[in-house]
Amino acid sequence: SQQGEEDPQALSIQEGENATMNCSYKTSINNLQWYRQNSGRGLVHLILIRSNEREKHSGRLRVTLDTSKKSSSLLITASRAADTASYFCATDRAGTASKLTFGTGTRLQVTL
Amino acid sequence: GAVVSQHPSRVICKSGTSVKIECRSLDFQATTMFWYRQFPKQSLMLMATSNEGSKATYEQGVEKDKFLINHASLTLSTLTVTSAHPEDSSFYICSARNLLQTFTDTQYFGPGTRLTVL
Repeated sequence: SQQGEEDPQALSIQEGENATMNCSYKTSINNLQWYRQNSGRGLVHLILIRSNEREKHSGRLRVTLDTSKKSSSLLITASRAADTASYFCATDRAGTASKLTFGTGTRLQVTL
Repeated sequence: GAVVSQHPSRVICKSGTSVKIECRSLDFQATTMFWYRQFPKQSLMLMATSNEGSKATYEQGVEKDKFLINHASLTLSTLTVTSAHPEDSSFYICSARNLLQTFTDTQYFGPGTRLTVL
C-alpha cells in the first residue's frame, strides 16, 4: 500500500527559484529518503534523514522531518533546468527489514 | 562505486511468453535485493524482497508463481515474468543493499527494465 503522499503532484518553476515538495506518511519509520527519477530512468538517491533527525542539508538540498506530524519536506534552492525530474519520498518503516514504501511523487519542471 | 545494472533495458514480447530480467550489483555484494514495479506516471510499488540463498518474500497481492525470483549469488537476482499478459507491461526496477554497509540504510537502484507485452 502507498505509505506516503506527496504534494504538490506537479510543480512548475523558473530557473533560480526554490522548489519545495512535501511528503506525508502514516506509520512509524526508521528513516525517510528522497529520490529523483528522470523520465523513464532509474532512481537516484538524494538524501536520507533518520527518525531522530529534524533537518539535513546536502548541497542545494534541505530536508526536514517532523515525526509528530509524520511529514517531511524537500527544498531545492536555486533550481536549475537539470533539476527537472520526478521526486519521491520513501519511508523505511519500523520493523519491516529495510523495505521502502514510496510516496506518490512530485513532478518538477524547471524552465529557463 | 555501488552500481546496479539491469538487463535487458527494454523488452517486447508476445502474450503468453516468459521474460527474464537480471539485476546485478557490479562492485559490491548484496545480501538483499528488492524488486519494484512502476506503472506510467505512478510511484514504485514493492513486489518482493529477494535474499541470497533463500526464497523471496512477496508483498500482498503479488503472485509468486507469476513473478519468479531467484537470488542465486550475492551479485545476481533474476525476475521471471511467466506467461506474460499486456497488463504486465510496466517498468521493473531492482535495488540492492550492500552486504558490507550494514550501518547504512541506502539502497542502490538499477536503471530499470521497460517490459511491453503485445
